[in-house]
Amino acid sequence: DSGVTQTPKHLITATGQRVTLRCSPRSGDLSVYWYQQSLDQGLQFLIHYYNGEERAKGNILERFSAQQFPDLHSELNLSSLELGDSALYFCASSVGLPDQETQYFGPGTRLLVL
Amino acid sequence: EDKVVQSPLSLVVHEGDTVTLNCSYEVTNFRSLLWYKQEKKAPTFLFMLTSSGIEKKSGRLSSILDKKELSSILNITATQTGDSAIYLCAVYWAAGNKLTFGGGTRVLVKP
Repeated sequence: DSGVTQTPKHLITATGQRVTLRCSPRSGDLSVYWYQQSLDQGLQFLIHYYNGEERAKGNILERFSAQQFPDLHSELNLSSLELGDSALYFCASSVGLPDQETQYFGPGTRLLVL
Repeated sequence: EDKVVQSPLSLVVHEGDTVTLNCSYEVTNFRSLLWYKQEKKAPTFLFMLTSSGIEKKSGRLSSILDKKELSSILNITATQTGDSAIYLCAVYWAAGNKLTFGGGTRVLVKP
């Protein structure tokens, strides 16, 4: 158990819908990262927040957005869902600087878009 | 364009064998390289290699960063069935603001 929690564990929805994935980092961690893992794309970095502010963006679609709240939990919003958005979405957290700290991954949310 | 390539894609060995996994990268402003192990669930961190720490070792696992060749290897000695997993390599670049993962190497250790 990494100490990072993600909800829900599984999510099934239809194309065109909007969903929100939630992540609670380890106690004391200020950084939260979101990743998408699909069979054909591997693990892709989406976005990084540090203490409430966006710090880095990866391959995140415009239909996706994220935020980190004052209590440091983070939400990833996926809208206008397409079949290709079906994937495992991981959240990870670390204490501080992204390239000097170990990232601890949550168990993931499996999203299925029908 | 950034690129992180892992090889081989997969390999099958028997318990006790030694495996060597490769990760090569082409990025701008390299900062660090990370190795992860992913079994059925989320990736777990193994090593981080930077310019100031190019060799790491933990038990039967070790990793070396070759800055000249822009690559890293992960060695697993005396493999056990519990080493069966996908091993992921990732590179921080662009002054640490970008993170790119390789496609992973699937390792299967047979008893």
